[in-house]
Amino acid sequence: DAKTTQPNSMESNEEEPVHLPCNHSTISGTDYIHWYRQLPSQGPEYVIHGLTSNVNNRMASLAIAEDRKSSTLILHRATLRDAAVYYCILIRAGGTSYGKLTFGQGTILTVHP
Amino acid sequence: EAQVTQNPRYLITVTGKKLTVTCSQNMNHEYMSWYRQDPGLGLRQIYYSMNVEVTDKGDVPEGYKVSRKEKRNFPLILESPSPNQTSLYFCASSSGGQPQHFGDGTRLSIL
Repeated sequence: DAKTTQPNSMESNEEEPVHLPCNHSTISGTDYIHWYRQLPSQGPEYVIHGLTSNVNNRMASLAIAEDRKSSTLILHRATLRDAAVYYCILIRAGGTSYGKLTFGQGTILTVHP
Repeated sequence: EAQVTQNPRYLITVTGKKLTVTCSQNMNHEYMSWYRQDPGLGLRQIYYSMNVEVTDKGDVPEGYKVSRKEKRNFPLILESPSPNQTSLYFCASSSGGQPQHFGDGTRLSIL
């Protein structure tokens, strides 16, 4: 199964951009890169996902390396409400092991006022 | 409102007493999955289901059973719970590889 590697923790100041990295060197061609975040005492919530091209939505941007072996979640202006655990996972769209997911431990983001 | 509903939200029980945690989704999703979350270990997948009557093991299936008789429901069954199954459990659903929707979680304590 394709695995992801993220830093255990990162810190940011409020109103500043945050770049959360994720390495997925064993990614396969049908793996989508998904980002979720988990606020304290809540279930994970979807943030963004992409396959090859960079993606933007109202919450964040996703920058995907050309070789797809790494990606970066970008929060353009961090707020205190963005403090959470961020998970980068690979979701396979077809082939074997479709549906089997590995979340990893994620990155704990601390945002300072 | 689109949602994934888990019940119960909290349960304290004793070793060996069979229990079922229910999960229901109202989005007509084909895919459903169960995870457990333990401190320092992140989310680990227990079982998943690609559609009705189709289930498969995740990374930590030992001690758990699931069934998918209807599209909307995916119960997690602990036939003989043990203390090492004390954890926070999440159910999720999705369709066609799209983002997963998670329930609010079920906190199980097995004494």
